[in-house]
Amino acid sequence: QQQVKQSPQSLIVQKGGISIINCAYENTAFDYFPWYQQFPGKGPALLIAIRPDVSEKKEGRFTISFNKSAKQFSLHIMDSQPGDSATYFCAASMIRYKLSFGAGTTVTVRA
Amino acid sequence: EAGVAQSPRYKIIEKRQSVAFWCNPISGHATLYWYQQILGQGPKLLIQFQNNGVVDDSQLPKDRFSAERLKGVDSTLKIQPAKLEDSAVYLCASSRDFSYNEQFFGPGTRLTVL
Repeated sequence: QQQVKQSPQSLIVQKGGISIINCAYENTAFDYFPWYQQFPGKGPALLIAIRPDVSEKKEGRFTISFNKSAKQFSLHIMDSQPGDSATYFCAASMIRYKLSFGAGTTVTVRA
Repeated sequence: EAGVAQSPRYKIIEKRQSVAFWCNPISGHATLYWYQQILGQGPKLLIQFQNNGVVDDSQLPKDRFSAERLKGVDSTLKIQPAKLEDSAVYLCASSRDFSYNEQFFGPGTRLTVL
């Protein structure tokens, strides 16, 4: 069964806009929530990650918001650029356990 | 530091044929993972090695898939015989150790089964 549900499947945003991708999980034992970025023909690369003891983490234009009570977390891409066009995967795991990936969101940034 | 290397990058085979993929992880990384990524889906873990021992192979179709990691470095994943539904990208990833969650992925091998 899919342990991490991701939405939307795809989104289009104008350059300079905000992209928001949402994920929900069921397993309350999860304690590590990374986001991976994947370009066509490449493997996924870690973008940013958060643990449940904080509600928000920001790295440059990328921010993770985490809501433990709702079992949801989201990725915000601020000031979206054409180079951000990629597929983004959320994931979750328990420490020392395998990652469960969401189905992915394809982001297209229009210039 | 060099990244995770995989070969071949592309492979086309007929159903019922066999195929093998090779992975060289980042130097010093003890943990190695093989994932299957079907078009439009997230990666699904097939098998995880810690050095040359298997940690998790619960989602590996063992009737047709096999994997090994001799000497705790390089790894090969084999499919024999292949089915149409095996068409996917096979990703190899490595991490420093079992307790480090950050995984570094290779470029993948795109397999097409006709």
